[in-house]
Amino acid sequence: SAVISQKPSRDICQRGTSLTIQCQVDSQVTMMFWYRQQPGQSLTLIATANQGSEATYESGFVIDKFPISRPNLTFSTLTVSNMSPEDSSIYLCSVEDYRDKFNTGELFFGEGSRLTVL
Amino acid sequence: AQTVTQSQPEMSVQEAETVTLSCTYDTSESDYYLFWYKQPPSRQMILVIRQEAYKQQNATENRFSVNFQKAAKSFSLKISDSQLGDAAMYFCAFKRLKGNRDDKIIFGKGTRLHILP
Repeated sequence: SAVISQKPSRDICQRGTSLTIQCQVDSQVTMMFWYRQQPGQSLTLIATANQGSEATYESGFVIDKFPISRPNLTFSTLTVSNMSPEDSSIYLCSVEDYRDKFNTGELFFGEGSRLTVL
Repeated sequence: AQTVTQSQPEMSVQEAETVTLSCTYDTSESDYYLFWYKQPPSRQMILVIRQEAYKQQNATENRFSVNFQKAAKSFSLKISDSQLGDAAMYFCAFKRLKGNRDDKIIFGKGTRLHILP
């Protein structure tokens, strides 16, 4: 299993500002995933972050709004830029489970970062 | 495209009773994984149970078991002897078994389970 730490766990932000969320994994992983979970809703994939390459964004999400860094195999950041109240959500970092180099399909999640934009 | 449907937004069950959460999915694939994830209030999402589509035997993890009906594309979760700690949002999820790097897990909308003392 993987242990994932996310910071901050929660924050209250002003409209128009930006916030960077950090995700640290206790083991080296190829891909890291960033999800958004709006209040009472399911998870929506924002982007997949690979070390050494540009992140791959899902439809409806753009790099200017959600820039992602992936400087090494254990760390990633997601920035929510120029925030509006519609960005109030839980943002989750996750990684895939590998056992003996086999992808089991399971995801491990961080505890999430709950952002409230006023 | 794959879809996952959870038709029960909320459910309640008396403590120590049994409850079944429903999930249906749509896919043209034959090899895939199915999952149930649990997200307790303000806590981390964790995997409850996992099923490989090629396995006919239903997965079981202690008090949690699934009823996997491949032909019907149904994947329900049964929780026996419900406990207060089972109160959470439960997400059904689907992932292709042999996909390319663009494959991602598809989540249902979730079922919020309340445990009544």
